[in-house]
Amino acid sequence: DSGVTQTPKHLITATGQRVTLRCSPRSGDLSVYWYQQSLDQGLQFLIQYYNGEERAKGNILERFSAQQFPDLHSELNLSSLELGDSALYFCASSPGRNEQYFGPGTRLTVT
Amino acid sequence: GIQVEQSPPDLILQEGANSTLRCNFSDSVNNLQWFHQNPWGQLINLFYIPSGTKQNGRLSATTVATERYSLLYISSSQTTDSGVYFCAVLDDKIIFGKGTRLHILP
Repeated sequence: DSGVTQTPKHLITATGQRVTLRCSPRSGDLSVYWYQQSLDQGLQFLIQYYNGEERAKGNILERFSAQQFPDLHSELNLSSLELGDSALYFCASSPGRNEQYFGPGTRLTVT
Repeated sequence: GIQVEQSPPDLILQEGANSTLRCNFSDSVNNLQWFHQNPWGQLINLFYIPSGTKQNGRLSATTVATERYSLLYISSSQTTDSGVYFCAVLDDKIIFGKGTRLHILP
């Protein structure tokens, strides 16, 4: 158990819908990272937050947004969902710019 | 940006065999990690190893930062070692290699 929690574990929704994925980092970790893992794209970095502020941006679509709250949990919002958004979404946390610990992931299926 | 290449892409071994997985990166890095993704999709930290050598049981890793590569050694493989092994480096963002898929036969 990495200490990072993600909810829900599984999510099935229809095209055009909006979903919110939630992540709670390890106690004391200020950085939260979001990743998407799909069969054809591998593990792609989406976005990083550090202590509530956006720190780095990767291959995140404009339909996707994230935020980190004062209690350090983070949410990833995915809107206008398309079939191609079906993937495993991971959250990771770290105390700074070093070792990352991954949550169990949320498996999103868009039908 | 930094390119991360892992080899081999696939590896099938008999239980008890040893293996070496390689990660090459195209530029200097301050941060390198090895992960194991098990067949259930969980990503497990193996090593945080920007340089030097570390060992944890049957697994060990060596990073030679000046030559831009890292190696992961698995000795006396077990079926539970099956899965995908990723290395990841930190540039201005985290970059993952495409992984080595390891299948250990009983």
